[in-house]
Amino acid sequence: AQKVTQAQTEISVVEKEDVTLDCVYETRDTTYYLFWYKQPPSGELVFLIRRNSFDEQNEISGRYSWNFQKSTSSFNFTITASQVVDSAVYFCALSSGDTGNQFYFGTGTSLTVIP
Amino acid sequence: DTGVSQDPRHKITKRGQNVTFRCDPISEHNRLYWYRQTLGQGPEFLTYFQNEAQLEKSRLLSDRFSAERPKGSFSTLEIQRTEQGDSAMYLCASTSFPGHMPSGYTFGSGTRLTVV
Repeated sequence: AQKVTQAQTEISVVEKEDVTLDCVYETRDTTYYLFWYKQPPSGELVFLIRRNSFDEQNEISGRYSWNFQKSTSSFNFTITASQVVDSAVYFCALSSGDTGNQFYFGTGTSLTVIP
Repeated sequence: DTGVSQDPRHKITKRGQNVTFRCDPISEHNRLYWYRQTLGQGPEFLTYFQNEAQLEKSRLLSDRFSAERPKGSFSTLEIQRTEQGDSAMYLCASTSFPGHMPSGYTFGSGTRLTVV
C-alpha cells in the first residue's frame, strides 16, 4: 500500500524564522518518486521538487531545501528565512513505479508566516 | 502554452442536478488526470487518460461519475444526481508519459463544486 503522512496540520512562524515540514511515506516499490507541491489560496498546486528513490542527495534551491532519507522513509522540506509569501498549504506526494498512474498525497501542512 | 485550464472555477448546484466540468490540458501532454480534494485533505485520485483511453478509475468514482476525453485533448467530468458529499474541489492535471517524472504533473486551478 502507498501512503504519505504529514503529521503537522498547521504551523505558524514569524517572518525570517526557519521552518521544516515533515513527510513520511510508505511503499513496497523499489522505484518511486517523491514530490512537494505548494497550494496557495488561489488553489492551484505548484510543483516544487521531485526526488526519485535512487537519489538520496539533498537539494537546495534558494531558500528551499529538501532532506531525503530512505532509512527513515522521510522527505522533509525546510524553508529558510521564511517570508509572508510562503504562507500556503504544502503537500508531499508519492508516485510509485514507472507507470506514473497516480499520486498519493498527504493531508498537507498549512503554513502561516506572520509578518 | 497557458497551462492547464479548468472551467468553470466555481459551480453551485442543487442536490440532484447534473454538472459537467471541463479540463484543457497542456497541448503536448498525452496524459490527463482527475483528482478530488475535500476541505483539509490532500487530492485523491479519481481517474486518468492516456490520449483518449481511460486507463484507470478509482473506487471513489461511483456510477454517478463519468469522464471522457473524446479526441485525446480536452476532458470532461460529469456528475449525475449530485449529492452534498460531492462538494469538493475537482482538480485536473496533465503530463507527458513517458518522460513525465522530471517535472511531475501540471495542475489546473480546479473547479470548486458546492452542492446545496
